[in-house]
Amino acid sequence: AQKVTQAQTEISVVEKEDVTLDCVYETRDTTYYLFWYKQPPSGELVFLIRRNSFDEQNEISGRYSWNFQKSTSSFNFTITASQVVDSAVYFCALSEAAGTASKLTFGTGTRLQVTL
Amino acid sequence: GAVVSQHPSWVICKSGTSVKIECRSLDFQATTMFWYRQFPKQSLMLMATSNEGSKATYEQGVEKDKFLINHASLTLSTLTVTSAHPEDSSFYICRAETSNYGYTFGSGTRLTVV
Repeated sequence: AQKVTQAQTEISVVEKEDVTLDCVYETRDTTYYLFWYKQPPSGELVFLIRRNSFDEQNEISGRYSWNFQKSTSSFNFTITASQVVDSAVYFCALSEAAGTASKLTFGTGTRLQVTL
Repeated sequence: GAVVSQHPSWVICKSGTSVKIECRSLDFQATTMFWYRQFPKQSLMLMATSNEGSKATYEQGVEKDKFLINHASLTLSTLTVTSAHPEDSSFYICRAETSNYGYTFGSGTRLTVV
């Protein structure tokens, strides 16, 4: 069974601080995908990144960066120089390998509050 | 990119009535549609998986007679909450998976049953 753990329920930072959101996963599959989604108060899910299990390269996109470590089954997300607009709930998710009907398992989410 | 249009975005209904939520894939064919439910301050939980033209597969604990899912075409899937009660108040969101392995979410529907 797949499982995603986001141990941090809520994080509060002051604008311009860096913040890292943790994600630890469990799966028996050798091929899988990891995701991060942002859910602002309006509710929609904003796709941030998808990473397959064979690609352990870290990725940077503007102020966002992701650290994928298969050895520790972690896929952490760092926001550099946080802004108020980053305030949202962030979900880490895991799915089995490509194919039909790939189920996506979500973590419980981390609520990030960025204040001035 | 692929877009899934979900309607309505919010709905308030009286207890005992039924509510239909639609998800339409606008520029692609969605072979599979997933329906999720999210209670306040909780994660998204998969309710059911539907493939076009066949019966939906429900997750354990989800009442299939209460949450009717229809996926009659490759561009439209609907979720009907029948005889809704206040405990059904939740955020419902669909996700489409295309044959070339994409993930596209609808914008969600906030249901309040009074």
